[in-house]
Amino acid sequence: NAGVTQTPKFRVLKTGQSMTLLCAQDMNHEYMYWYRQDPGMGLRLIHYSVGEGTTAKGEVPDGYNVSRLKKQNFLLGLESAAPSQTSVYFCASSYYGEAFFGQGTRLTVV
Amino acid sequence: DQQVKQNSPSLSVQEGRISILNCDYTNSMFDYFLWYKKYPAEGPTFLISISSIKDKNEDGRFTVFLNKSAKHLSLHIVPSQPGDSAVYFCAASESEAGNMLTFGGGTRLMVKP
Repeated sequence: NAGVTQTPKFRVLKTGQSMTLLCAQDMNHEYMYWYRQDPGMGLRLIHYSVGEGTTAKGEVPDGYNVSRLKKQNFLLGLESAAPSQTSVYFCASSYYGEAFFGQGTRLTVV
Repeated sequence: DQQVKQNSPSLSVQEGRISILNCDYTNSMFDYFLWYKKYPAEGPTFLISISSIKDKNEDGRFTVFLNKSAKHLSLHIVPSQPGDSAVYFCAASESEAGNMLTFGGGTRLMVKP
């Protein structure tokens, strides 16, 4: 049982480059989320989705876009990476109660 | 303005003793509270939760207490074990269903043998 899987696990980008982070869940959860974790700030919500085909902004959405074309997948895109987007990114999914998290993607923008 | 705050960045406890981790929140709409545990290079894992209709929830060595009037919750770990050493995040949500979680900054717990 894979749960929530994120790819890639590590990535280094140059400023201005673009990339997409993929999140896949096999628990048939309606809700999916993207968080970023920065030292001392906990996890902050970037974007979320309450079902296939829907997305909404979270606390820190600027510089990111998302898509949920299939229920099991939630994609996070960076169109033009900036050093301020250096962080660890976590995807999560939930139905009722606790959210389940992926292993994280460590992104460095140089 | 952080809606969920964990004012202690770190806590050191001797093995076998009680660990008490604290969390304060400001949003009165929060109705559901959770604690997550995180090891390095791993995602957060769910530990225990509590609904606002309760003031205590217990699961083995872990107990969460909620004081709604003070907007304060705490996690008690008894007895503490070296394997409990991790970062603990407090989180809150306005609903138990499809919860968008607001996290505190985390407390690093170190349990010394």
